[in-house]
Amino acid sequence: AQKVTQAQTEISVVEKEDVTLDCVYETRDTTYYLFWYKQPPSGELVFLIRRNSFDEQNEISGRYSWNFQKSTSSFNFTITASQVVDSAVYFCALSELGGSEKLVFGKGTKLTVNP
Amino acid sequence: DAGITQSPRHKVTETGTPVTLRCHQTENHRYMYWYRQDPGHGLRLIHYSYGVKDTDKGEVSDGYSVSRSKTEDFLLTLESATSSQTSVYFCAISESRLGGNEQFFGPGTRLTVL
Repeated sequence: AQKVTQAQTEISVVEKEDVTLDCVYETRDTTYYLFWYKQPPSGELVFLIRRNSFDEQNEISGRYSWNFQKSTSSFNFTITASQVVDSAVYFCALSELGGSEKLVFGKGTKLTVNP
Repeated sequence: DAGITQSPRHKVTETGTPVTLRCHQTENHRYMYWYRQDPGHGLRLIHYSYGVKDTDKGEVSDGYSVSRSKTEDFLLTLESATSSQTSVYFCAISESRLGGNEQFFGPGTRLTVL
């Protein structure tokens, strides 16, 4: 069965600090997809990144970077030099290619960046 | 931004009344989803649709029904609302259900059942 665990319920940092949000997943499939979404205080869900199980290259987009490690079933998200605008709830999600028709979300990590 | 709207955006209703939430898309995507978001649970899939008149259950489908008579509209109905259905409901769309495509979400509907 699919499962996504975000063990950090809440994180608080001071602006300009680096912060890593952890995501651990469980799946029996060899082909699957991992996602990160951001939910700012305004409430909408914003897609950040998709990664498939065959691509373990890390990805960097500006201050955001993602570290995918199949050996530890982890897909961690790092924000470098955090800003107040990064304050949001961040969700990690998993989708399997075969058999399951759903996007399974972790429970989210609430990040607060203080000035 | 993907063209997804939800209506109403806020609703307060009483236990036992029927409620219908509407999701409308202008992207002509084949797949549509309804999720609910509750504190401590993240988002959980209620129902999804893989085409006109084609729907299936998700993780938390009890007490909900859906209909899709047109590509652009996906309706979620609570036949007899209960307080446990107080939640924020999100609609999402995707070009594919095969896991490879990201889902884009609507703005959400906050439903309170008294």
